[in-house]
Amino acid sequence: RKEVEQDPGPFNVPEGATVAFNCTYSNSASQSFFWYRQDCRKEPKLLMSVYSSGNEDGRFTAQLNRASQYISLLIRDSKLSDSATYLCVVNWMDSSYKLIFGSGTRLLVRP
Amino acid sequence: ETGVTQSPTHLIKTRGQQVTLRCSSQSGHNTVSWYQQALGQGPQFIFQYYREEENGRGNFPPRFSGLQFPNYSSELNVNALELDDSALYLCASSLVLAGGSEFFGPGTRLTVL
Repeated sequence: RKEVEQDPGPFNVPEGATVAFNCTYSNSASQSFFWYRQDCRKEPKLLMSVYSSGNEDGRFTAQLNRASQYISLLIRDSKLSDSATYLCVVNWMDSSYKLIFGSGTRLLVRP
Repeated sequence: ETGVTQSPTHLIKTRGQQVTLRCSSQSGHNTVSWYQQALGQGPQFIFQYYREEENGRGNFPPRFSGLQFPNYSSELNVNALELDDSALYLCASSLVLAGGSEFFGPGTRLTVL
């Protein structure tokens, strides 16, 4: 089983749609959780951290379910500029620090 | 505030050669991590440096090595290059040793022929 798993997509949605991405992680000792956005041939950029209580930043809502080892990202009212790859990221300490990225979910927002 | 910078932006090497990639962390950040990103994949954690010591390491062979300097800048060295080493190499810095989010540089695209 992969340490962090995501549906690769692509998700092809019209402008204004609501889209949700899911991510599962294998290590129950995971401590911190993030969503990053990566545009084509660019570096990943932090979109938002994910907290157990859930958090929202404008059109973006992230949820964490520690019992199910599951993270989600919801994007409302999709914009053309939301087209990118969304990376689920999990951070844990076992014998040493590790930051594990999923392979990413590709989103295409069409006019 | 200066962001994370990396050099060079692109590099072409041949099998068996050695390469050194450089990274300057974001102002005020004392922790640097290196990642390898193959086409169509997420970044793979190579290692992290904190206070000039390796703090964590992913599943990469010993021919991948690194350094961190007193000014928190860092180098990634790869010996005996293989074709599969062709990838985007990303450096990321953070302020918190573990558990914090990281800020990435633009990367160095390495091609091994």
